[in-house]
Amino acid sequence: AQKITQTQPGMFVQEKEAVTLDCTYDTSDPSYGLFWYKQPSSGEMIFLIYQGSYDQQNATEGRYSLNFQKARKSANLVISASQLGDSAMYFCAMREGADSWGKLQFGAGTQVVVTP
Amino acid sequence: ETGVTQTPRHLVMGMTNKKSLKCEQHLGHNAMYWYKQSAKKPLELMFVYSLEERVENNSVPSRFSPECPNSSHLFLHLHTLQPEDSALYLCASSQDPRQNEKLFFGSGTQLSVL
Repeated sequence: AQKITQTQPGMFVQEKEAVTLDCTYDTSDPSYGLFWYKQPSSGEMIFLIYQGSYDQQNATEGRYSLNFQKARKSANLVISASQLGDSAMYFCAMREGADSWGKLQFGAGTQVVVTP
Repeated sequence: ETGVTQTPRHLVMGMTNKKSLKCEQHLGHNAMYWYKQSAKKPLELMFVYSLEERVENNSVPSRFSPECPNSSHLFLHLHTLQPEDSALYLCASSQDPRQNEKLFFGSGTQLSVL
């Protein structure tokens, strides 16, 4: 069964606007971590932001923030003030358990295109 | 400059060929990973090495053979591949695989099997 669901295959956003990328997850493990990665056309996966299941505050990293709603099992990424360089695929990923040997489970991704 | 370097960037091989993918990390990390990214499928974990010891083999066919000679280098040896093995192969590293450490990825090797 799919553990990470990203329902938006693609979206357009205008430069300087904010965009929210949806991510829902499925786990029964109380200890887990949620990650967002960006993959530009060059192929490299770039880490953006991390949220631990026990973290009380929503994670923020510069223009990126994670809207963590634990009861709904959602971890949406918000990109504020979009830039042309934000055009890329965005992947939500989850690591279950405290001893999971780096096993990240990825969603299918959302293609974001930022327009001038 | 990325901390994780993969070579080659692109590889085309026949089903009877033998080739190797190389990954090198310059971050002083203890764990290295191989992931496979196929078209229209989520990334799949293939192998995990921690301190040069393989700790995870995610049901990968034996035509893929990993090698980790030291904590900075990781190889993926390929032989008698199938066309469905065509994909982007991503290498990653992290400081400690057992904690919620972020993974640092390379740019990948785009593999085409003819």
